[in-house]
Amino acid sequence: QQQVKQSPQSLIVQKGGISIINCAYENTAFDYFPWYQQFPGKGPALLIAIRPDVSEKKEGRFTISFNKSAKQFSLHIMDSQPGDSATYFCAARYGGATNKLIFGTGTLLAVQP
Amino acid sequence: DTEVTQTPKHLVMGMTNKKSLKCEQHMGHRAMYWYKQKAKKPPELMFVYSYEKLSINESVPSRFSPECPNSSLLNLHLHALQPEDSALYLCASSQASGGKGNVQFFGPGTRLTVL
Repeated sequence: QQQVKQSPQSLIVQKGGISIINCAYENTAFDYFPWYQQFPGKGPALLIAIRPDVSEKKEGRFTISFNKSAKQFSLHIMDSQPGDSATYFCAARYGGATNKLIFGTGTLLAVQP
Repeated sequence: DTEVTQTPKHLVMGMTNKKSLKCEQHMGHRAMYWYKQKAKKPPELMFVYSYEKLSINESVPSRFSPECPNSSLLNLHLHALQPEDSALYLCASSQASGGKGNVQFFGPGTRLTVL
């Protein structure tokens, strides 16, 4: 119940294409769903996040779609660029006092020029 | 200032050494975190401090000893580590746990190698 399942493990997209990464969870105690982007040798950086009472959130080329009934959420990167090549982690946060994040297994995205 | 800083960037230590990792933030955050990240894996939570008190210890071996001297600083003391402890150690901070918008901001990490 603590797991967040993420797919695909790796993804190759052509420049200008759409990158889609999917995550699924079981625990209804999760109340916040951030996506982090991590470049090699760097710490994860928050990309975009959503709450379960919102079905979609868009920031620039990045969009989160959230399906509460299916317990699934996804990241869409529009007009993918080589600079987007990185590892992407979805995460889910337990509500309440702990602010504990459970991370997905990560997706290595390569955008080919 | 919206960043979390960590020192050193790289650390190589023997199994009998004692060393410390340091983390600092000046965002007024009252929750700070230590994570361990192995290659091609997600970060794994080790410890959480909330208002300078240890609130979560994810069953981490005692050879890792966290310390939070004040609201801006977080240390991780290392002693008698094993080669399998080699990893990227990440520090993060957030507003006090719970509530809205408690995004965790991560530092760049310390790359630790245990020989």
